[in-house]
This record gives sequence, C-alpha cells and structure tokens, in this order.
Amino acid sequence: GAGVSQSPRYKVAKRGQDVALRCDPISGHVSLFWYQQALGQGPEFLTYFQNEAQLDKSGLPSDRFFAERPEGSVSTLKIQRTQQEDSAVYLCASSGPRADEQFFGPGTRLTVL
Amino acid sequence: RKEVEQDPGPFNVPEGATVAFNCTYSNSASQSFFWYRQDCRKEPKLLMSVYSSGNEDGRFTAQLNRASQYISLLIRDSKLSDSATYLCAVLRLGGFKTIFGAGTRLFVKA
Repeated sequence: GAGVSQSPRYKVAKRGQDVALRCDPISGHVSLFWYQQALGQGPEFLTYFQNEAQLDKSGLPSDRFFAERPEGSVSTLKIQRTQQEDSAVYLCASSGPRADEQFFGPGTRLTVL
Repeated sequence: RKEVEQDPGPFNVPEGATVAFNCTYSNSASQSFFWYRQDCRKEPKLLMSVYSSGNEDGRFTAQLNRASQYISLLIRDSKLSDSATYLCAVLRLGGFKTIFGAGTRLFVKA
C-alpha cells in the first residue's frame, strides 16, 4: 500500500522566498505531524493535526512558519521569507488516532541560499 | 539540558557482537517510549515500542526504567545491515508531541 509521500523531495530557495511543502499521509490516518531535522540531529516537532484541527503548533519556530490541513488529509507547510537557518529536512509523519506508531515520509530537503 | 538525550556514538562493533544503547529523558510525565531506526538520508522507521515490562523482537530487546528515567535498546548478534542511526522518542502523557533524541550511530563491521 502507499505510504506517506512528500513533495518536492528537494527545494532550493533564495533567502526571502516563500516555499510550500506538501504531505500526503496514509489514507485514513487521522494524525499528521511535521518535523524539522537538521544534519546530525533528531527530528524536532513542529506541529500536529488531528483531522483538520491543528491541536499543537508549539514547535513552529517563528510566525514565518504556517501549516494547514483543510480537509483532514493533505497538509501543507509554508515558510515565508525563508532564512538560511531554515535549511533542513522537513519530515511529515502520519498515524492512527494515537500518536504511537508514526509512519514517516521521505522528507523534503530544503536549502536556502 | 535536552529533554531526551542519547550518546551520539559512533559505536563501531564487529559482526556478531552485542551492543546496547541508552537514552535518558527528563520529563517524568512521559508516557510512551519508542526506538526508531534511521538509515543515512532516509526517513525514520519505527523499530519497536518500549513497554514497562520490557519487550523483545528477535535480536532486539527494549527496556524501560521509569525510576531512573531511561530506556535501553540491546542488539544481539549484530549484522552489517544493523548499521544505522538509532533514535529514541518519548511521547508526553495526554499529548501528541513526540520528542526525539539526537540519535546514536552504529557501524557494524565485517
């Protein structure tokens, strides 16, 4: 069956540009997570959705980061006015009603020049 | 101090060796615990959940020590294919925010 997919897989942006990263979770999964992973570090929690409701956005590093999941399936993470420190791999994960077994997508590697 | 800490390694072991990793957590309200495996430039994949009574899956054994606030992963009879980064993860009670450690790198050599 299809797993979690993310697009684009790679994104190069000039500093100051806006970017949008897409996540297609496993069909039927109510929980969706976004993480940021810097080189040599573990994934850092950004935000969590249960269906279309964003229940926790405590990990978003600044108001330049915005996530949505309007119909409770596909989610988009938007970063406005990108900065060099935003360069990282952005991972999306989905799970059933509980957050225990999370299935990760391949990630989007963002490089801000 | 980070909420979840791991020895970054690397651990270099020969095939067939037994290797153990520990992971400490600081939030006593932590409820659920996991080990994930991450290969180079790939996404994390759940290796096993960690239960209070300890659990085993083939060559892998996970233990939880709530009193000392750490979890462990034991790999017996290491294979070359076990070479990866092992991430521990902690889920807080009543929440969905999963906190990951920075990972422990393992290299298994022939």
